[in-house]
Amino acid sequence: DTGVSQDPRHKITKRGQNVTFRCDPISEHNRLYWYRQTLGQGPEFLTYFQNEAQLEKSRLLSDRFSAERPKGSFSTLEIQRTEQGDSAMYLCASSPPWAWRTSYNEQFFGPGTRLTVL
Amino acid sequence: GDSVTQMEGPVTLSEEAFLTINCTYTATGYPSLFWYVQYPGEGLQLLLKATKADDKGSNKGFEATYRKETTSFHLEKGSVQVSDSAVYFCALKGAQKLVFGQGTRLTINP
Repeated sequence: DTGVSQDPRHKITKRGQNVTFRCDPISEHNRLYWYRQTLGQGPEFLTYFQNEAQLEKSRLLSDRFSAERPKGSFSTLEIQRTEQGDSAMYLCASSPPWAWRTSYNEQFFGPGTRLTVL
Repeated sequence: GDSVTQMEGPVTLSEEAFLTINCTYTATGYPSLFWYVQYPGEGLQLLLKATKADDKGSNKGFEATYRKETTSFHLEKGSVQVSDSAVYFCALKGAQKLVFGQGTRLTINP
């Protein structure tokens, strides 16, 4: 059973460029989350999908950020017109459906994508 | 809103020492509580969890008890090893999202 995977692992871009990250959740996990982690801080919630529906967005998710999960499987997070303040680790996590009772409340994290905006 | 406060680090201990990392929370309702660990160069891993008051989560010699009366979920280990060196995050989950503390960096010296 493979874990959550994220691509790329590292991204360096220049200010003003657009970037897109991909997350592949654990197979059959119907819920998917994006978090952002800056140096020395805990992860902060960005957005949450159940299947293909985006059900919650943080106020941290400005209009330059957009996330999709078109077929309820993988997800993409796009940042337009990147700013230096967007430099962070972007984490994806997934959770199983209610049928997986013992682990329903758990979130399984991927390795993250480290973004550096120059 | 919901929040988690962890004891500030970094924490440095000698091998076989007793470990406590304090965690308190503020939440509406009855959240689930978690400890995650992040080893150098790796992603977040779930260490242990507790879903209701008085539950004790345990894993790899670590323990934490969900204390509703003191809104706490302190992490303890009786005898730490060098391999326990990592950053530890306390987190709560209400409806869906996790709310994390700022993390505590733990270094164990041989």
